[in-house]
Amino acid sequence: DAGVTQSPTHLIKTRGQHVTLRCSPISGHKSVSWYQQVLGQGPQFIFQYYEKEERGRGNFPDRFSARQFPNYSSELNVNALLLGDSALYLCASSRDYEQYFGPGTRLTVT
Amino acid sequence: TQLLEQSPQFLSIQEGENLTVYCNSSSVFSSLQWYRQEPGEGPVLLVTVVTGGEVKKLKRLTFQFGDARKDSSLHITAAQPGDTGLYLCAGISISSGSARQLTFGSGTQLTVLP
Repeated sequence: DAGVTQSPTHLIKTRGQHVTLRCSPISGHKSVSWYQQVLGQGPQFIFQYYEKEERGRGNFPDRFSARQFPNYSSELNVNALLLGDSALYLCASSRDYEQYFGPGTRLTVT
Repeated sequence: TQLLEQSPQFLSIQEGENLTVYCNSSSVFSSLQWYRQEPGEGPVLLVTVVTGGEVKKLKRLTFQFGDARKDSSLHITAAQPGDTGLYLCAGISISSGSARQLTFGSGTQLTVLP
């Protein structure tokens, strides 16, 4: 089975722009979580979705939003990008409480 | 806010040495996980510990969950260059929305020199 896939791999945006990151979970996994990992730190929880509904939200501003589609894939949207949004954005899918992470999308905001 | 502190932040040792990484919190977690992350990749789950006082062994890696479920340690015996990576602990808690939320520590960057 294919693992969690994320696109794009790398992305460069300018301050104030908007970005959409995509995630496809492992087949059979209905839950998707998003994390932000700033260089030198551990991942920080942003959102969790299960069966298309938001189940949890971390301490991130409203500029961050997400959704999950009927096929359980997910998008993370970030509006009005700031330099501090530069990070590795990780998606994880799970069937129970073991989460499987994708390779991440490296976002650079200039 | 639940926080997990890991120590040391950086560790550089010679092949064959032993090491221990610590993960501490003031909060109680329902369970705790250890991950290893390599550059350009997402974290990979190594182990989940659930019961206070639990000890799990994975080849040369030994994981322990504190009796009060607030702390954990990872001990590596006879480290090898292939053990090099970022080791992350993550506490699992249940949010108000029933989500199993992971709270990660800041990580320990381990380098094993040949």
